[in-house]
Amino acid sequence: ILNVEQSPQSLHVQEGDSTNFTCSFPSSNFYALHWYRWETAKSPEALFVMTLNGDEKKKGRISATLNTKEGYSYLYIKGSQPEDSATYLCAFDPSGGSYIPTFGRGTSLIVHP
Amino acid sequence: NAGVTQTPKFRVLKTGQSMTLLCAQDMNHEYMYWYRQDPGMGLRLIHYSVGEGTTAKGEVPDGYNVSRLKKQNFLLGLESAAPSQTSVYFCASSYGRQGTEAFFGQGTRLTVV
Repeated sequence: ILNVEQSPQSLHVQEGDSTNFTCSFPSSNFYALHWYRWETAKSPEALFVMTLNGDEKKKGRISATLNTKEGYSYLYIKGSQPEDSATYLCAFDPSGGSYIPTFGRGTSLIVHP
Repeated sequence: NAGVTQTPKFRVLKTGQSMTLLCAQDMNHEYMYWYRQDPGMGLRLIHYSVGEGTTAKGEVPDGYNVSRLKKQNFLLGLESAAPSQTSVYFCASSYGRQGTEAFFGQGTRLTVV
């Protein structure tokens, strides 16, 4: 079982705050790191797929960085809005030819108006 | 475009009863997965399939069986339900090539009493 850790487990911020959280994963046998956004009562939806060390992806106010050598990725949200409230999951995609992702436990973000 | 569809959405079972959860995808994906989601545990892989007629065990396979007789369908069976199987079950599918995303169904909330 691969060890994929996310921190913090939960986060409460005020509207307008910027925030970030971490996904750590094995630094060996790396192929890709995925971020998913999971809103309450919905299903997870893909945000980013990151494959290269130093990768930086951006979608609106959300961005992510990747460090494969040390095995971590950061997700940043700039100017959080209540609609950003969700659980953010990362998934480690090891090398080996198949996509059998291992998910972290997620970071639950609640943005208060 | 339906994507990934799970049936049923809710179910209450008595201990010892059996049931089958159906997952159907219309994206011609090779890979299909069954996860369970429990509070504080994220998504844990039960079983997966890399193509029609194939199945494999994931992280938490005990008490479950699966079948993939048709490419578009992946069935999860509980032969003798136990209260420990109370959970939310998610089906997902992907092309299986690394770096591609998984698409999730809406989930099935199962309660075993």
